[in-house]
Amino acid sequence: DIQMTQSPSTLSASVGDRVTITCRATQSISSWLAWFQQKPGKAPKLLIYKASTLETGVPSRFSGSGSGTDFMLTISSLQPDDFATYYCQRYNSNSRTFGQGTKVEIK
Amino acid sequence: EVQLVESGGGLVQPGGSLRLSCAASRFTISGNWMSWVRQAPGKGLEWVANINQDGSEKYFVDSVKGRFTISRDNARNSMYLQMNSLRVEDTAIYYCARDWDESGKGIDHWGQGTLVTVSS
Repeated sequence: DIQMTQSPSTLSASVGDRVTITCRATQSISSWLAWFQQKPGKAPKLLIYKASTLETGVPSRFSGSGSGTDFMLTISSLQPDDFATYYCQRYNSNSRTFGQGTKVEIK
Repeated sequence: EVQLVESGGGLVQPGGSLRLSCAASRFTISGNWMSWVRQAPGKGLEWVANINQDGSEKYFVDSVKGRFTISRDNARNSMYLQMNSLRVEDTAIYYCARDWDESGKGIDHWGQGTLVTVSS
């Protein structure tokens, strides 16, 4: 089965920083990748789908890129509301797999 | 706004069974695949199972195959997860999620989750 690996596992950053999280698949998933944000005690929230399409209502400081096996989530200028855990997820076939998550912490 | 409400969680002994329900509102589930995703305490997200629009296709993560079944009732706008032979490692919050449709999105909406605790 296709595995998803995110890096880093934890990221310490300051408000205003540019932040990049990477996600790698063990085989090509074309552009069938989504990014989610999760805050403690809450359900995840969809940020980006099809690798680079911003979900309606998500701030434009979030962007996604990549295709095949290598993907990135970028936050152009980190805001206080962005401190959370981020997950990538592949949906190229009928099953789904999540990355292990990246926690973005306050530096 | 799409709404998904899970119910049926609780405390169960190892080897026991539980049936989770997911009631959808403000959209019709018949147009979407639907998924269950779980999150063990302090851990990441794990996709558990999904089902296609008419219930003819069902897929499971290896760790639950043969123990969990997924079903849906489009007339009731609801989805279900029957969990048998439960193990301590099945302890998690279980989320219902709206999944694939022709828009090209996968999972795009989640319920608030229901806690399943497997313990003696």
